[in-house]
Formats: sequence, C-alpha cells, structure tokens
Amino acid sequence: GAGVSQSPRYKVAKRGQDVALRCDPISGHVSLFWYQQALGQGPEFLTYFQNEAQLDKSGLPSDRFFAERPEGSVSTLKIQRTQQEDSAVYLCASSPTVASGTIGTQYFGPGTRLLVL
Amino acid sequence: KQEVTQIPAALSVPEGENLVLNCSFTDSAIYNLQWFRQDPGKGLTSLLLIQSSQREQTSGRLNASLDKSSGRSTLYIAASQPGDSATYLCAVNNNDMRFGAGTRLTVKP
Repeated sequence: GAGVSQSPRYKVAKRGQDVALRCDPISGHVSLFWYQQALGQGPEFLTYFQNEAQLDKSGLPSDRFFAERPEGSVSTLKIQRTQQEDSAVYLCASSPTVASGTIGTQYFGPGTRLLVL
Repeated sequence: KQEVTQIPAALSVPEGENLVLNCSFTDSAIYNLQWFRQDPGKGLTSLLLIQSSQREQTSGRLNASLDKSSGRSTLYIAASQPGDSATYLCAVNNNDMRFGAGTRLTVKP
C-alpha cells in the first residue's frame, strides 16, 4: 500500500521567503510527527499531532515555524521568513497508534530537502 | 533532556564480516528503543523495535539488544553485505523520540 509521501522533495528558497511543506500520512494513521534533520545529524523532533490536535510543539525552533493538520490527515509545515539555518531535511512520520507509551512504530516519508540561500 | 550517542560515527568493513553498532542514552526511563536504517535521499526504515521490558529482538541477520539500566543498546549485523551500506540510527522513546546522530556503514565487496 501507499506509504507516507512528502512534497516537494526539494525546495530552494531565498532568505526571507516563506515555504510550505506537505505531508500525506498513511491513510487512517492517528499520529503524525514532523522532524528536522540537519546534515550529518539524527532527526530532531519538531511537533506532534493526534488527529487534528497539535499536542506537542515543543520542538519548533522559533515562532517562524507553524504546523497544521486541519482535517486530521494531510499536514503542512510552514516556515516564515526563512533563514539559512533552516536548511535541512524535514521528515514526516505517521503512526497508527497514539504517541504516549506506544508500542507501535513510526513510518517515515522520504523527506523534503530545504536549502535556503 | 535525553541524550543519545552512537559509536562509531562511521564504519567500513569487508563483505562477510560480523559487526556491532553501539547506542547509549542518558535517561533509562524509556518506553522502547528502535533501530532505523536511512539510505541517502530516503526516509527512515524501521529495523527493530525493542520494548523496555525486552532484552533483545531479532530479524534475519540483525539482532538488537537492550540494557536499560546501563543505558545501552547494540545492533549486531551478521555476515554483512554491500546492500547493508547505509546510515543506522538509534532512537529512544520516552514520550517523544530522540535520535542519535547515526553510524554510517560501508560494506565493501
């Protein structure tokens, strides 16, 4: 079946530009996660949704980062006034279970590679 | 804050060798630990998930162990193949998932 998909796969933005990154989770998955992966590092947690509710946004690095999942399926991560330090791969993952103490695994999309010039 | 460390950062071995990747974490109050594989330009693929109550998990040539009290996990790969070349990430879950920086493995034919 279809896995997690993300678009665009690559995005080049000029510093100061706004960008929007899309994630299509596996159908029916309750949980959705966004991660930021800098070059040579492991993914860092950004935010977590359970259905349409954003239950944890503690990892968002600044108020320029905003995520939504209005209908509990597709999610969009928006970055306003992009800076060079925002350059990274942004990974989305979904899970059929709720996050807390879950025994389930997360299924990752291929990521969006963002380069801010 | 949970800190996850993976050693070595990079490893190059000849085909057929058995190898061990190491992961350590600072907070032992975890729900589970996962090992992932990441290929260049691709997302993460889950390899093994070990619950906090378990000591090890096996899948094919892969075996992962967990010693929660000492904050350590190892991933053992038997009879390595060139197709095993990838970055291996360890992630611990105590309400949110914390990843190590990964071990970049190269298996030479």
